[in-house]
Amino acid sequence: GAGVSQSPSNKVTEKGKDVELRCDPISGHTALYWYRQSLGQGLEFLIYFQGNSAPDKSGLPSDRFSAERTGGSVSTLTIQRTQQEDSAVYLCASSLGGGSTDTQYFGPGTRLTVL
Amino acid sequence: AQSVTQLDSHVSVSEGTPVLLRCNYSSSYSPSLFWYVQHPNKGLQLLLKYTSAATLVKGINGFEAEFKKSETSFHLTKPSAHMSDAAEYFCVVTARGTGNQFYFGTGTSLTVIP
Repeated sequence: GAGVSQSPSNKVTEKGKDVELRCDPISGHTALYWYRQSLGQGLEFLIYFQGNSAPDKSGLPSDRFSAERTGGSVSTLTIQRTQQEDSAVYLCASSLGGGSTDTQYFGPGTRLTVL
Repeated sequence: AQSVTQLDSHVSVSEGTPVLLRCNYSSSYSPSLFWYVQHPNKGLQLLLKYTSAATLVKGINGFEAEFKKSETSFHLTKPSAHMSDAAEYFCVVTARGTGNQFYFGTGTSLTVIP
C-alpha cells in the first residue's frame, strides 16, 4: 500500500521567504509527527497531531514555525521568514494509533535549503 | 526524561563479519525501543522494535537486538554483514506519558568493507 508521502522533495528558498511543506500520512493513521534532521543535530521532534486533540507543539523551535492538519489527514508545516539555520531535511511520520508502542512510518522527507 | 546514546558514530566491519551497534537509553517510564535504518537518499525504515514483550527481538534482514534493563542497553547485532547493510542506523526511545514522540540517537554510520 501507499506509504507516507511528502512534497516537495526539495525546496530552495531565499532568506526571509515563507515556505510550506506538505505531508500525506498513511490512510487510516490517526497520529502524525513532524521531525527535523539537521547535519550535526540529529533528528529532533517538532510537532505531533493525534486525532482531533490539540497538537503537541513542544518541539517547535520558534514562533516562525507552525503546522496544521486538515480533516485528520494531510498536514502542512509552515516556516515564516526563513533563516539559514532552518536548512534541514523535514521528515513526516504517521502511526496507526499514536501509542508509545506504535511504529512510526516515515516519509522520504523534504530537503529545505535557505540561501 | 527520555534519551538515547549511540556509543559509536562510525563502525566499520568487513563483509561476512559480525555487526554490533551499541545503544544505551535513559527513560523515566517503561520504554519502547526501536532501531531504524536510513540508506543514502532514502527514508527511515524500521528494523525492529521492543515493546515489553520478549527481550530478544528479531527484525528484518537478519538483525536482532536484546533489551537489557539492568544495563539500560538495546544493542543491535547481525551475525554476518552484507554490503547492502552500509547505512545510517538510529536507536530510538519512546515511552507512555511522554507525548509518544520519538527520541532519536545521533546515529551510527555503518561501513562494510568488501
